Amino acid sequence: QITLKESGPTLVRPTQTLTLTCTFSGFSLSTSGVAVGWVRQPPGKALEWLAVIYWDDDKRYSPSLKSRLTITKDTSKNQVVLTMTNMDPVDTATYYCVHRPCISDRCLFDPWGQGTLVTVSS
Amino acid sequence: DIQMTQSPSSVSASVGDRVTITCRASQGIKYYLVWFQQKPGKAPKSLIYAASSLQSGVPSRFSGSGSGTDFTLTISSLQPEDFATYYCQQYDSFPYTFGQGTKVEIK
Repeated sequence: QITLKESGPTLVRPTQTLTLTCTFSGFSLSTSGVAVGWVRQPPGKALEWLAVIYWDDDKRYSPSLKSRLTITKDTSKNQVVLTMTNMDPVDTATYYCVHRPCISDRCLFDPWGQGTLVTVSS
Repeated sequence: DIQMTQSPSSVSASVGDRVTITCRASQGIKYYLVWFQQKPGKAPKSLIYAASSLQSGVPSRFSGSGSGTDFTLTISSLQPEDFATYYCQQYDSFPYTFGQGTKVEIK
């Protein structure tokens, strides 16, 4: 069974750096075709991809947030870490990590973590 | 970024109804599309991947079709547990992008 769980602060002050950890089990991020990504959802709004890290340590970032984001993986700990600098109240959202395996070009985005609500406020 | 446009933004339907949701990509994405269901306070749940493949464990009343720029999610006979918000998402290129969502409400 594959599970993912997000952890990190629930409250962040403006201008601070947010660090979120996705701890997973049931798969290896060193397996070809596997990736783990981060998605956020502001309250009442749609979903937005932030970053993804692939089995070969390739990384992709949302262009609009690229200067603020860093994604890393620790394969031995089964963790993926996302840092976002210079937090602003508009970054208040539920942050999800998601497992993305692919066989050839057929990719699944399943399962997702339960999500963690991060509020940015002074 | 590839823009994904869903329609309608909301639909009122009754149990047993057939519901169709469409998703249009701003450029061709082959079959690199997934559909999710999301209930309030919960993470999205994958329903369909590669445009038309049913995710394991998902009821067969859900089906997906399309390729290129136009895609459809169909619920053949709406059940009480299907009232939720549905999102399409492309994975042709990063950033992966979602549609704005379609809320399926009880009539």
